[in-house]
Amino acid sequence: DTEVTQTPKHLVMGMTNKKSLKCEQHMGHRAMYWYKQKAKKPPELMFVYSYEKLSINESVPSRFSPECPNSSLLNLHLHALQPEDSALYLCASSHGQGTYGYTFGSGTRLTVV
Amino acid sequence: GQQVMQIPQYQHVQEGEDFTTYCNSSTTLSNIQWYKQRPGGHPVFLIQLVKSGEVKKQKRLTFQFGEAKKNSSLHITATQTTDVGTYFCAVGSSNTGKLIFGQGTTLQVKP
Repeated sequence: DTEVTQTPKHLVMGMTNKKSLKCEQHMGHRAMYWYKQKAKKPPELMFVYSYEKLSINESVPSRFSPECPNSSLLNLHLHALQPEDSALYLCASSHGQGTYGYTFGSGTRLTVV
Repeated sequence: GQQVMQIPQYQHVQEGEDFTTYCNSSTTLSNIQWYKQRPGGHPVFLIQLVKSGEVKKQKRLTFQFGEAKKNSSLHITATQTTDVGTYFCAVGSSNTGKLIFGQGTTLQVKP
């Protein structure tokens, strides 16, 4: 298995909703990441998990809460989001953090209404 | 942190023409990676360069890392419509765990 699987592919949520994005990989990668990408912009790093521990939080607002239940799974819990949080949320994994090629999932396209 | 400037932002070419995108940094880079993102898709890893002066080829794609490890380029020979997309360079750090992307070059190919 050489893929990163993200669910759901599309999500529309209200500003008072709570939802979760899920990411799964079975490549044995020990580093996993959340990125946010707005239209016509590069992916922006949000969180880095290394060996299931949060190693980097790029000053992300607390309405985004990451969780790494085990080495294969990564979740992003969403609460009280704003319309400007609408974006493509990408999960990625790699053998080592910061180096080696990253494998990206196909993303969750989030719309906050 | 390390940042890279990528140019041009957009490039329109006729099918069969060549294409080059450049990444430049003011600091020495430990490595540089290249990704391709098709319209509506996600970034796909193409290659990583780590050595000064390194040149790697993948079919019609040629990747170079500068001698000073401050710049890199991706050159596509004889573009095809399947080359359409945005090409990103990205700089990774094993110390910080960060992979930071350049602004990307969007390639359009006219058949």
